Amino acid sequence: GENVEQHPSTLSVQEGDSAVIKCTYSDSASNYFPWYKQELGKRPQLIIDIRSNVGEKKDQRIAVTLNKTAKHFSLHITETQPEDSAVYFCAASIDYGQNFVFGPGTRLSVLP
Amino acid sequence: DAGITQSPRHKVTETGTPVTLRCHQTENHRYMYWYRQDPGHGLRLIHYSYGVKDTDKGEVSDGYSVSRSKTEDFLLTLESATSSQTSVYFCAISPAGTGELFFGEGSRLTVL
Repeated sequence: GENVEQHPSTLSVQEGDSAVIKCTYSDSASNYFPWYKQELGKRPQLIIDIRSNVGEKKDQRIAVTLNKTAKHFSLHITETQPEDSAVYFCAASIDYGQNFVFGPGTRLSVLP
Repeated sequence: DAGITQSPRHKVTETGTPVTLRCHQTENHRYMYWYRQDPGHGLRLIHYSYGVKDTDKGEVSDGYSVSRSKTEDFLLTLESATSSQTSVYFCAISPAGTGELFFGEGSRLTVL
């Protein structure tokens, strides 16, 4: 079955710097890759997603890139702010989002 | 908040006792999911449902059963709780074709 790895497990950056989180997946049939943000004590919420027919997607300060050949995708956050501090989860799905395998998460801390 | 509620939000129980968690939605979506969240493991799928009386197993289904007799309710049952089932349980719904998961607020279960 699908296996999703995520690195790093923790990440600290200075406010205003960029943060990058990387995920790799094992099943080449995966075609949908969302990213979820979970603030402390809250539920996970979708922040951005990308489908396999697209190489990059951007939404304001966040972007996701996908390399299907290497089977990895990354989340990029620019101009980080304290409210970006959270746990971020990547996920992969082989049926456009009906079933997901999540990565173990990255705890991002944005230091003032 | 996407019309999804979980109950109870917190529960402490003893090993060997049965436990039922309830997920209720007001959105009339077909797809409903139960995940568990543990440190270092991300979100792991326990069971999911794609309609009334239509359910299937996820990656960590051992020790769990589910039922869906109405569109709006998805029940997760631990027939005989064990300490390894101490976790935070999230229910999620997904509008068909979008791929996005909307999570409930989570149910923290402690098995002593």
